[in-house]
Amino acid sequence: DVKVTQSSRYLVKRTGEKVFLECVQDMDHENMFWYRQDPGLGLRLIYFSYDVKMKEKGDIPEGYSVSREKKERFSLILESASTNQTSMYLCASTTGGETQYFGPGTRLLVL
Amino acid sequence: EDQVTQSPEALRLQEGESSSLNCSYTVSGLRGLFWYRQDPGKGPEFLFTLYSAGEEKEKERLKATLTKKESFLHITAPKPEDSATYLCAVQSYTGTASKLTFGTGTRLQVTL
Repeated sequence: DVKVTQSSRYLVKRTGEKVFLECVQDMDHENMFWYRQDPGLGLRLIYFSYDVKMKEKGDIPEGYSVSREKKERFSLILESASTNQTSMYLCASTTGGETQYFGPGTRLLVL
Repeated sequence: EDQVTQSPEALRLQEGESSSLNCSYTVSGLRGLFWYRQDPGKGPEFLFTLYSAGEEKEKERLKATLTKKESFLHITAPKPEDSATYLCAVQSYTGTASKLTFGTGTRLQVTL
């Protein structure tokens, strides 16, 4: 079974803090993704990576950056957290453009 | 730009009352249509992938079908444990092959 894990289930941060969300997959997948999910807006793609050290912007990259130093790990960085970044963050991975498998999600609250 | 619209937004069924969820899409070239189930506070769980019009897939009480403009998720004799949000997503041939465009989901509640 594919397993995608995320470093935290719940996170509370203050405005202006730098926030790191980590995702690890154990299936040697090339492609990894970060989404945010908000009520009424569905899942929106923030960034994705198709190889180590390779990244591409998704639909809503502003205020975020990513890092992929190893194939199994993909990090999402909020450079200076703001209240409008309060959301559910979901990581996914896939190989060869097939089915994306999701992690359990991180619910982030920025105060 | 790929677009996905799901209806209804919410659906309440009694146990055993069959129904269908709709996913309408517009893509420049469909590579795949995906159905996921999401329980509250959890990540989406993969259900089905459909690739071409006329294709059908089944899993327990769920059956997914695909036409050139929409997909249906049929739920036969649902049970309370089928309560969840069901998400539809499309993957197109334009741009980066792995990208998915999601609908906003249908929230299903099945009562006794």
